[in-house]
Amino acid sequence: DVKVTQSSRYLVKRTGEKVFLECVQDMDHENMFWYRQDPGLGLRLIYFSYDVKMKEKGDIPEGYSVSREKKERFSLILESASTNQTSMYLCASTIRDFHNEQFFGPGTRLTVL
Amino acid sequence: GIQVEQSPPDLILQEGANSTLRCNFSDSVNNLQWFHQNPWGQLINLFYIPSGTKQNGRLSATTVATERYSLLYISSSQTTDSGVYFCAVDSPYSGGGADGLTFGKGTHLIIQP
Repeated sequence: DVKVTQSSRYLVKRTGEKVFLECVQDMDHENMFWYRQDPGLGLRLIYFSYDVKMKEKGDIPEGYSVSREKKERFSLILESASTNQTSMYLCASTIRDFHNEQFFGPGTRLTVL
Repeated sequence: GIQVEQSPPDLILQEGANSTLRCNFSDSVNNLQWFHQNPWGQLINLFYIPSGTKQNGRLSATTVATERYSLLYISSSQTTDSGVYFCAVDSPYSGGGADGLTFGKGTHLIIQP
């Protein structure tokens, strides 16, 4: 069965803190994605990775970085959290061909105070 | 980039009713998925359907790629069907190197007992 997990369901951080959001998939998928979801704006792509140590910017990469040291793990990093990064963060993965079914993790609801 | 429009934005039905949710997209697609977002925020995969018709229990979906729309049918609605339904596409013309999904704004479905 397909499984994507995220390290936290809820997270509260303070402005200026460095924040790590972790995503792990057990399907041996090559491609992994980070999205954020906001009321009125919907889901938007932040970054994606098509292989270990490879990364590509999505539509809204500003204020974020990513790390992919192992195939199964994709981390989203907020170098200095700000209140406008309060959001729901969703991780997804798919096999090498991008145009295939994406599977999502349960999401992390991040609040930055 | 590609535009995805879902209708209706909100739908309130009695238990047992049938419903049709629509997704229009502005350009050719390689991937089209329907998701149900549960109250905890997780996106549940319903259908991967870039073209054709699929059925899974009380749910079915049809995509007419040449006319750029997809329909999700829910029959004999149950209260557990409540939530937000998203259509998402992956266009060959995503541009900018971003090959993530582009989501519609969703249909908020409420099934009353």
